Amino acid sequence: RKEVEQDPGPFNVPEGATVAFNCTYSNSASQSFFWYRQDCRKEPKLLMSVYSSGNEDGRFTAQLNRASQYISLLIRDSKLSDSATYLCVVNIYTDKLIFGTGTRLQVFP
Amino acid sequence: NAGVTQTPKFQVLKTGQSMTLQCAQDMNHEYMSWYRQDPGMGLRLIHYSVGAGITDQGEVPNGYNVSRSTTEDFPLRLLSAAPSQTSVYFCASNLAGSKETQYFGPGTRLLVL
Repeated sequence: RKEVEQDPGPFNVPEGATVAFNCTYSNSASQSFFWYRQDCRKEPKLLMSVYSSGNEDGRFTAQLNRASQYISLLIRDSKLSDSATYLCVVNIYTDKLIFGTGTRLQVFP
Repeated sequence: NAGVTQTPKFQVLKTGQSMTLQCAQDMNHEYMSWYRQDPGMGLRLIHYSVGAGITDQGEVPNGYNVSRSTTEDFPLRLLSAAPSQTSVYFCASNLAGSKETQYFGPGTRLLVL
């Protein structure tokens, strides 16, 4: 079983739609959780950290469910510019990040 | 600041050739890492360094060497290239204690024939 699992998608949604991605992790000792965004043929960039109480950044909301070992990312009012691959990232050991394979989002007009 | 820079952007090698992928950062970050990204596999850690003179193996270190003689530079050496090393390689850096904010370089696309 992979340490971090994501649905690869693609999720094809119209502009203005709300879309949600889930990610599950296998190690209950996981300490920190993040969402990164990766545009086609570009490097990953941090989108947001995920806190236990849930957190919001504009149109983006991240949630953590430690009991079920999953995190989620909700995007409201999708824009064309949101089209990208979203990587779920988990920190298990102090210096190492474990990356999921990513969920591809395509927003169409 | 240039951030994290990588050279070359693209490279084609023949099986058995050796080469060095260059990575440099000008943010005075202690931590630097090398990842490879393959379809369906996600980013996998090859080697990392927590400071000048200190390196350690990641998840997939075989076939690669690294050194960290300065804070700024973290080259990745392929000793004898194999087709299985065809991949996109990303270098990243971050401040100690700020592991989530890893800054990635633009990547090197490597094809081994």
